[in-house]
This record gives sequence, structure tokens and C-alpha cells, in this order.
Amino acid sequence: DQQVKQNSPSLSVQEGRISILNCDYTNSMFDYFLWYKKYPAEGPTFLISISSIKDKNEDGRFTVFLNKSAKHLSLHIVPSQPGDSAVYFCAASANNNDMRFGAGTRLTVKP
Amino acid sequence: DAGVIQSPRHEVTEMGQEVTLRCKPISGHDYLFWYRQTMMRGLELLIYFNNNVPIDDSGMPEDRFSAKMPNASFSTLKIQPSEPRDSAVYFCASSFLHNQETQYFGPGTRLLVL
Repeated sequence: DQQVKQNSPSLSVQEGRISILNCDYTNSMFDYFLWYKKYPAEGPTFLISISSIKDKNEDGRFTVFLNKSAKHLSLHIVPSQPGDSAVYFCAASANNNDMRFGAGTRLTVKP
Repeated sequence: DAGVIQSPRHEVTEMGQEVTLRCKPISGHDYLFWYRQTMMRGLELLIYFNNNVPIDDSGMPEDRFSAKMPNASFSTLKIQPSEPRDSAVYFCASSFLHNQETQYFGPGTRLLVL
């Protein structure tokens, strides 16, 4: 069962514009959400996270928004840079180590 | 620190053969995770260990899969017999305590079963 869903397999954005990656989840017990970034031939690396007690967390160009009522979170990257081109995974956990990942969204930032 | 080390990086085998994937976690980390990545299902947690003890193996697809952690610096994921549907990228990750943010991933092993 896909408890974490990333319905857009790919996204293409022009350099300098905003990238918005979306993620939906079904398990209301999830209380911690993370975004991982993955380059080809490398393992995923942690990017940013948010606890369910917050609705926004910002780190430089990256902001994650959480809408608990809609069971939806999004990652905003602004301004987007070519080096941001990667696969982005959304993940969620219920206060333990059992993270559930989405299928990933491939972001391409065009110069 | 070299990070999480996985070997081999690529494995091509024939259906029915035994496959062994290896992982060396970051020194000092007491949690080790095995994930499988496929196009259809993304990253799936297969099993994780705490202090070398398997804690949750509910993600292991079937009895053909087994994982061991004989010591704090080494773990194996074995598939016997392998099937074409096992073709995927297998990641190992390690972390210190329960902090998901510091779950460091290895580069993965790309497995192709013909």
C-alpha cells in the first residue's frame, strides 16, 4: 500500500523560477515528514524536514509546507538552479524509524 | 569518514542464482536499514537493525530474502533464489539513534536478474 504518494513523476522548470514538488499521504499517524534529494548513482541525501506541529519550515531556498487537514505537503525551491536537478523523495514516519517513501519526482531545471 | 559503503555497486545474475549484497555502516551508528528502490514503488524499507538485532523485517518481500548483521560494521542482504522481479537498486542506510534526519544512505547496489 502506498501510504506516501508523489503523483508527478517528473517536473521541468526554468532556472530562476519556483519549483513546487507535491506529496500526499494517507496515514494520519504520520507526524514527521522529510524530503530527500537523489543524484544519479548516489544514495538519497536528507534535504529538509517538518514536524506535524508546524505548517512551514524554511532553509535557504527550500521551504516545506504541511497541510495536515489535506494530508498534503509540498517542497518549494526558489529560485531554482540547474544543480537542483535530481530526484526528490518525500518520506513520512510515525515517531519511529519506519520511514515510508514516495516514488519520487524527477526535477529538471533548465538553464 | 567514508560514509556508508555498499558492494557490489552493480550485479548482473541469472534467475535462480543466489545474490549477496553487502553493507558497511558508518562507524558509531547503531541503526542499519535496507531499502529497495523500484520505478513503481519508489523506496521501500525492507528491514532494519538496532545494535545488530533485526527489529522490523515486515518489509521483506518473501522468504527468498534474508538479512544478517553479524557485527556492528557489516550487514548482508541475501536473495536466494533470485528472480527477475527482484531487479532494483538496493540501498543500505545507517543512523545514530532515532533521528531520521541523520539517516545516511550508501550509493546503492543496482541488481539485474536476467
